[in-house]
Amino acid sequence: GESVGLHLPTLSVQEGDNSIINCAYSNSASDYFIWYKQESGKGPQFIIDIRSNMDKRQGQRVTVLLNKTVKHLSLQIAATQPGDSAVYFCAEILYYGGATNKLIFGTGTLLAVQP
Amino acid sequence: DVKVTQSSRYLVKRTGEKVFLECVQDMDHENMFWYRQDPGLGLRLIYFSYDVKMKEKGDIPEGYSVSREKKERFSLILESASTNQTSMYLCASSGDRYEQYFGPGTRLTVT
Repeated sequence: GESVGLHLPTLSVQEGDNSIINCAYSNSASDYFIWYKQESGKGPQFIIDIRSNMDKRQGQRVTVLLNKTVKHLSLQIAATQPGDSAVYFCAEILYYGGATNKLIFGTGTLLAVQP
Repeated sequence: DVKVTQSSRYLVKRTGEKVFLECVQDMDHENMFWYRQDPGLGLRLIYFSYDVKMKEKGDIPEGYSVSREKKERFSLILESASTNQTSMYLCASSGDRYEQYFGPGTRLTVT
């Protein structure tokens, strides 16, 4: 929503530069991670995911890196565009057993792209 | 494309009113979730449901209840709205994959 970006760490980049957004996760047993993008006034939108048996996964203009040793996740956006301006969340999956899975979200980073 | 819709984008209610927030998904997903989102606190899970008529408490269920009478619909109920329930409410659904698909959110203001 409009106020999601308040109180968040902000990454300001120039259009065309590469962006790196970082996330520390909490549970060493988590085996699946997701990055979401939330634009102003909208709900979070899935970007890319990665399993814990991988350390890198690439999508279109985005790459996610996973370092399980230090419980760190990063999202790299190549050639950042104004449309990439949004809040980015990482989420880790805790298996709830039997029925469903619980996502634990980071608080997010606001990416501001300067034209 | 998965579509998750929420009944209202903006809602203003008075303290003590009973409030219903409706969520509908069109992908036959088993799992549905309600979150609230507040500045500096991120998304916090209120309730979730993994089947019709089933519900589980999330991290902050106090002051809320839910209803899932049909697979596609998951309702969040504020029995007696209070000002500290002013927030953005997000509904999500998921199937047999991990990722959750979110609706656009309902910004609720309780005065």
